[in-house]
Amino acid sequence: GAGVSQTPSNKVTEKGKYVELRCDPISGHTALYWYRQSLGQGPEFLIYFQGTGAADDSGLPNDRFFAVRPEGSVSTLKIQRTERGDSAVYLCASSPAGQGVIQQYFGPGTRLTVT
Amino acid sequence: AQRVTQPEKLLSVFKGAPVELKCNYSYSGSPELFWYVQYSRQRLQLLLRHISRESIKGFTADLNKGETSFHLKKPFAQEEDSAMYYCALSGQSGNTPLVFGKGTRLSVIA
Repeated sequence: GAGVSQTPSNKVTEKGKYVELRCDPISGHTALYWYRQSLGQGPEFLIYFQGTGAADDSGLPNDRFFAVRPEGSVSTLKIQRTERGDSAVYLCASSPAGQGVIQQYFGPGTRLTVT
Repeated sequence: AQRVTQPEKLLSVFKGAPVELKCNYSYSGSPELFWYVQYSRQRLQLLLRHISRESIKGFTADLNKGETSFHLKKPFAQEEDSAMYYCALSGQSGNTPLVFGKGTRLSVIA
């Protein structure tokens, strides 16, 4: 079946602009995660959705970052007034409902470059 | 604080040599530990997890709670093992975010 997809694959924007990054999770997966991976670093957690609600947004760096998942499927990560430090690969992952430890499935990422 | 440490940024070994990628963690409680791998131009994927106690592609990892380590090992490296490897931890139940290390790039030389 189809895996997690993310669009666009690459985004170049000017400092101060607004960007939206999209994630399509695996069909039926209730949990959706956003991570950010800067150069030379491992992925860092941003926000996690269970269904339509944000269960944990403690990783969002500041109020310029916001994410939604209005119908419990597709999610959009929104970044206002972009800064050069926002340049990174933004990863989305999804996982099914269940008990115990649940595997996360990752998308290919969106490479954001702020000039 | 939750933290995963991978002390080596780059590890180069010859084909057929043993491989050990180090991972140490800090976590208040009992975490679950994972190894993720990213091959060139591919997405991040799960290699193995502690709870499954499995061997994938010849790799194994043993959780040592006394040393808070989860080192990844393979007795004989293959060229196709060249990739970026990330150690990660999470809580023990349900859907919880992963905490990743910075990763180790493994290069297997023919």
